[in-house]
Amino acid sequence: DTGVSQNPRHKITKRGQNVTFRCDPISEHNRLYWYRQTLGQGPEFLTYFQNEAQLEKSRLLSDRFSAERPKGSFSTLEIQRTEQGDSAMYLCASNFGGRGAGQETQYFGPGTRLLVL
Amino acid sequence: AQTVTQSQPEMSVQEAETVTLSCTYDTSESDYYLFWYKQPPSRQMILVIRQEAYKQQNATENRFSVNFQKAAKSFSLKISDSQLGDAAMYFCAYRSTNAGKSTFGDGTTLTVKP
Repeated sequence: DTGVSQNPRHKITKRGQNVTFRCDPISEHNRLYWYRQTLGQGPEFLTYFQNEAQLEKSRLLSDRFSAERPKGSFSTLEIQRTEQGDSAMYLCASNFGGRGAGQETQYFGPGTRLLVL
Repeated sequence: AQTVTQSQPEMSVQEAETVTLSCTYDTSESDYYLFWYKQPPSRQMILVIRQEAYKQQNATENRFSVNFQKAAKSFSLKISDSQLGDAAMYFCAYRSTNAGKSTFGDGTTLTVKP
C-alpha cells in the first residue's frame, strides 16, 4: 500500500484551458475527498464520494468544476475554462467511512499544484 | 456552520523545548472530533493527534499532547522536547461525528531553532 497518490504533481496552464487531475485512494477506502488549499490558508472542502456516489459538494465547487469517481476507485477533478483564481494546491484524501465515520483518519495525498497564467 | 480559528500564524521554539499551538472552534454540536495535522514543506499532510469530544481525557501521542477545553471550545497542541523535524505547518481541524468533510484552520507555521 503506497498511500494516496495524485497526478500530475504540478500543472501550469493558460487561462481558459481545461485541466483534469487524478486521485488514487488507498485501495480499501470507500470514501474520497477533494480539498483546495491556497497559499497561507488551510484546506477548504470541495466534495466527497462514498464509493461512486457524490455525497456532498461545497458552494466553492462552481459549475466549472466537476468531479467523478466512476467505479468507486480513482477519482478525477476537472476544471473547465480555468481562471487565475483557480491557482491553488488541490488535495485528495481517503478513508473508510460509514456510521461514526467522523473519527476515521483522513489520509492525504501529496496534492496537485495548479498555476493558471 | 463550524469554524476553526488558529490565532498564531507563526511560532518558533528552541530545540528540546516545549511549545503550545492554539486553536479555537465554533460549533453547536455536542459530539464531534478534533484533529491536529502536520504539513512539512512540500510534503503531504499527516495526522498528529485526534481527540473525541465525548472524552474528558486529553489525547497524548508520544511528545504530542492536547489541552481540550470543551466549554471554552479550545483545543491546543503541546509539543514537548521539540525536534528539528517538527518544523512544519500545523493545522487544527474539526469534523462532525458522522460527517465526511473536515473544517480546517488557517494553520500555524512552526520553526524549530537549533
